[in-house]
Amino acid sequence: ETGVTQSPTHLIKTRGQQVTLRCSSQSGHNTVSWYQQALGQGPQFIFQYYREEENGRGNFPPRFSGLQFPNYSSELNVNALELDDSALYLCASSSPGTPVGGYTFGSGTRLTVV
Amino acid sequence: AQSVTQPDIHITVSEGASLELRCNYSYGATPYLFWYVQSPGQGLQLLLKYFSGDTLVQGIKGFEAEFKRSQSSFNLRKPSVHWSDAAEYFCAVGASNNNDMRFGAGTRLTVKP
Repeated sequence: ETGVTQSPTHLIKTRGQQVTLRCSSQSGHNTVSWYQQALGQGPQFIFQYYREEENGRGNFPPRFSGLQFPNYSSELNVNALELDDSALYLCASSSPGTPVGGYTFGSGTRLTVV
Repeated sequence: AQSVTQPDIHITVSEGASLELRCNYSYGATPYLFWYVQSPGQGLQLLLKYFSGDTLVQGIKGFEAEFKRSQSSFNLRKPSVHWSDAAEYFCAVGASNNNDMRFGAGTRLTVKP
């Protein structure tokens, strides 16, 4: 079975720009969660998507938005990028009935905002 | 809301020595507790998890953790550390009624030859 795949692996953006990060969930998983991991910190929950609907959100502003597609892949969009948005963005997928935290994580997208 | 504290930012142990990484959580009800490991440039890999039942849980790679409700702790242990265990370790706590899994700031493990 394939794992969670994220793209791109790295990218550099300028402050004020918009960015889209992509995630393909593990086969059979219909729930996708996104996390932001700043340097030297633990991951912070951004939001979760289940059956194409947002299913919980952390303490992130509305300029962080997402989508989930019928094939359960997902996108994270960030508008009006700020320097503090520089971080590793992790996607995690889980299967139906998995208790919270029983996730499979991707390797992440390293975003640098200059 | 739930929260996690990992008191040790960095720990160095010799290869073959025992290891204990500390984790303290805050949550009003019975928590879901996890330990993840992250190698440089990689995502998080689940080592073990506790939901209920036996308070000593076994995980992958020879790791185990013990849930102590009275101390609000979930410390990770390994009897004999291998050089390949060098990585960042994260403790996390989740709740059954939300999707907001909270991570600690992590403990970086260095293994000396």
